Amino acid sequence: EADIYQTPRYLVIGTGKKITLECSQTMGHDKMYWYQQDPGMELHLIHYSYGVNSTEKGDLSSESTVSRIRTEHFPLTLESARPSHTSQYLCASSEYIGGPIYNEQFFGPGTRLTVL
Amino acid sequence: EDKVVQSPLSLVVHEGDTVTLNCSYEVTNFRSLLWYKQEKKAPTFLFMLTSSGIEKKSGRLSSILDKKELFSILNITATQTGDSAIYLCAAASGTYKYIFGTGTRLKVLA
Repeated sequence: EADIYQTPRYLVIGTGKKITLECSQTMGHDKMYWYQQDPGMELHLIHYSYGVNSTEKGDLSSESTVSRIRTEHFPLTLESARPSHTSQYLCASSEYIGGPIYNEQFFGPGTRLTVL
Repeated sequence: EDKVVQSPLSLVVHEGDTVTLNCSYEVTNFRSLLWYKQEKKAPTFLFMLTSSGIEKKSGRLSSILDKKELFSILNITATQTGDSAIYLCAAASGTYKYIFGTGTRLKVLA
């Protein structure tokens, strides 16, 4: 069973506040990801990490930042939340299992963010 | 530009029916094709396909990949109301990238 956790599960916050969405995995996976998903829409990659001290921006432009100081922890921070940030944020992890193949992504339960 | 297209976008069937969900892809440095089921929150993994023509089965679900024609199908036989969900297809590309389709929303009526 995949062990990847996200907190909080739901967050309602006012415009201009700084927020951090937490993501932790206990599987020792090297790669971690943050996706943004609006209702009925596809997942958009906003950040990913190859490993400790390695982070990159994804395909969807985002005003958020991430850090990867420990293998198991990949928090996402919004310095100043806006209503346009209202969405579901999904964290995922995967590992390289040999040859040309990466394992499937395991997803956390998601954080549903509402910015008023 | 990498893309994954799923069809149909939504489907309503009755219990016992068989459904086929389609996924076509155009990605650089393709590695594997993955299917996920998403109910209320996070996607849960169903299948990963890396080789053409080899069917993967899990109970009433099965899937196959055609790397020449760049598509995959997911079949669900004898559907049940518990199969109602969004089914996501994703193509793994390069060393880190997973490109997701918009999903097929399946509703199974009792």
